[in-house]
Amino acid sequence: GNSVTQMEGPVTLSEEAFLTINCTYTATGYPSLFWYVQYPGEGLQLLLKATKADDKGSNKGFEATYRKETTSFHLEKGSVQVSDSAVYFCALSDRSRGANNLFFGTGTRLTVIP
Amino acid sequence: EPEVTQTPSHQVTQMGQEVILRCVPISNHLYFYWYRQILGQKVEFLVSFYNNEISEKSEIFDDQFSVERPDGSNFTLKIRSTKLEDSAMYFCASSEARDGNQPQHFGDGTRLSIL
Repeated sequence: GNSVTQMEGPVTLSEEAFLTINCTYTATGYPSLFWYVQYPGEGLQLLLKATKADDKGSNKGFEATYRKETTSFHLEKGSVQVSDSAVYFCALSDRSRGANNLFFGTGTRLTVIP
Repeated sequence: EPEVTQTPSHQVTQMGQEVILRCVPISNHLYFYWYRQILGQKVEFLVSFYNNEISEKSEIFDDQFSVERPDGSNFTLKIRSTKLEDSAMYFCASSEARDGNQPQHFGDGTRLSIL
């Protein structure tokens, strides 16, 4: 089946620290991979995506590379800011079934302190 | 930037009552979705909708649930007879297309509390 496993939180970092949030997946077909972010009191916003192996998604200083060999899509940022405090969700959609519904991980809460 | 809007932001309902959650997807989007997130758990897919019919649904989406697009703008989720375990955050989403290159845009959610 399809599932996403991501690093349990919460994660607390100091400003300008390096961030990694691990995400691995299982999929029956060839998935597209996404990171969504949820800021306090808001809905889910697409942060970045990758649709095929070795693609790198990037946005707002965040990056993630689609690694088919390790079935991973780890999120990284070189220098976090207080404004990055949010819950981060890794997700996949399995296009092989012609469907586009998303399978989410449990979310990782990031708190960045000044 | 266009947004998906959901109303109400918080709904409190007695067990056994019907509830309707409303969503206005982005205007040029053709695919619509409902997800839910029980407190402390994963965001889970409920149903997708295209061309006025359900295109896919999960095992969560049983006979108590229904979706409708009553006019050109609204997309609703109805729970016929609510149970305590229906308490969750419900998210609506929409996308232009169904392929992975067209991401889903989410609303801010409706928090449903069943008493």
